[in-house]
Amino acid sequence: GNSVTQMEGPVTLSEEAFLTINCTYTATGYPSLFWYVQYPGEGLQLLLKATKADDKGSNKGFEATYRKETTSFHLEKGSVQVSDSAVYFCALSEGGSEKLVFGKGTKLTVNP
Amino acid sequence: ETGVTQSPTHLIKTRGQQVTLRCSSQSGHNTVSWYQQALGQGPQFIFQYYREEENGRGNFPPRFSGLQFPNYSSELNVNALELDDSALYLCASSRVGGAIYEQYFGPGTRLTVT
Repeated sequence: GNSVTQMEGPVTLSEEAFLTINCTYTATGYPSLFWYVQYPGEGLQLLLKATKADDKGSNKGFEATYRKETTSFHLEKGSVQVSDSAVYFCALSEGGSEKLVFGKGTKLTVNP
Repeated sequence: ETGVTQSPTHLIKTRGQQVTLRCSSQSGHNTVSWYQQALGQGPQFIFQYYREEENGRGNFPPRFSGLQFPNYSSELNVNALELDDSALYLCASSRVGGAIYEQYFGPGTRLTVT
C-alpha cells in the first residue's frame, strides 16, 4: 500500500537557520504530494503541494520539489522564524482519490 | 467564506458509550473526509462522503459510521467506544471537480475515552 516516511523529530533550530525535513514515499501510481502544518491546538493547514514529477511547491518561504527518481518531497526553508514552530506532515494522494496518506509528522521548534 | 467548523471541541466518554461528532464543510465544498489522529501520530483516513454516500473507507471497523446531509455537513458516529478511540478527530472538506483536490481541515474534536 501507499505510505509516507518522514524524518524523526523533534527538530530544534535557532532563528534564521536553514531547515530541511526529509520525506520519502511509496506509491503504486503517480501521487500528488503535500506538506501540511499543524500549529499548537489547531487543525491542519495546507502549506504547499506538487502534482507531478519535478514540480516545485512553494509558500511562505517554504519549498519542496517532487522527485520521482528518489521518491522524495523534502521540505526546505532558508531562514526559519519562531512563528514557524509547529508540526509538519508530509502526505500523498493518489490520482483520482482524495484519500490522504500522512507521515507521522515532524515537530519543529525554533528558538529566538 | 466560512471555513470548516467542528463540534464539540472536546468530549469525554466512557468505554462502551456511543458518540456523535459534527462537521460543517467550507462554503462551496461538496465532499467531506474524516481522519483520526492519535497522539504523536499522523492522521489516519476513516472515510469520505460525497453526495450523501460513503465514497471510500480506510481500515476502520463498522462501528465507525457517518452521514452527509444535503447541505454537505457531516456526522461521524462511533459505537461501543474503546480506550484506543481516544484521539483528535479531524474533518476535511473539498470540492470535487478540479484536477487536484485540496482538502481544508477543521480544528478537530478531541475525544477522550475513559
